[in-house]
Amino acid sequence: RKEVEQDPGPFNVPEGATVAFNCTYSNSASQSFFWYRQDCRKEPKLLMSVYSSGNEDGRFTAQLNRASQYISLLIRDSKLSDSATYLCVVKRAGTYKYIFGTGTRLKVLA
Amino acid sequence: GAGVSQSPSNKVTEKGKDVELRCDPISGHTALYWYRQRLGQGLEFLIYFQGNSAPDKSGLPSDRFSAERTGESVSTLTIQRTQQEDSAVYLCASSLRRNYSPLHFGNGTRLTVT
Repeated sequence: RKEVEQDPGPFNVPEGATVAFNCTYSNSASQSFFWYRQDCRKEPKLLMSVYSSGNEDGRFTAQLNRASQYISLLIRDSKLSDSATYLCVVKRAGTYKYIFGTGTRLKVLA
Repeated sequence: GAGVSQSPSNKVTEKGKDVELRCDPISGHTALYWYRQRLGQGLEFLIYFQGNSAPDKSGLPSDRFSAERTGESVSTLTIQRTQQEDSAVYLCASSLRRNYSPLHFGNGTRLTVT
């Protein structure tokens, strides 16, 4: 079993829709959590860090559920420009390694 | 401020040649990472540098790959006797050495071995 798992998708949604992705992690010592987006043939870019109490940035909301060991990303009012691959990244306490999920592909359709 | 800078952006080389890729991290970021991403695949960890500590080279795929870093600044990744399977995007990232600090990536070097 991979340490970080994501549904690869693709998730095809119409513009304006709300879409949510989950990411599960297996190591309970995981401490830091992030969502990145990666456009085709580009580098990953930090979308948001995920805090214990959950956090929001505009149309994006991230949640952490430590008991069930997953994080989620909710995108409201989807735009065509949201089409990308969304990477879940987890870092264990006291280590320097960032563990990447394989990504969830989102396509927002006109 | 300035982000992570990588050069060259693209490199086409003949099989068997050596290549050198460069990464200039964000100023003040003591941690530096190299990753490889083949087309349609996930990120593959190669090597990690932290200050003057010994690097973690556990991800380097063969002895043809090596990397150096001068203090807390520029890093170079060298691939000797390149093979076609080395074709990929090589990504450099840096971060502060704190638990909750995210990684910041450069634009990558797209390497094509012909």
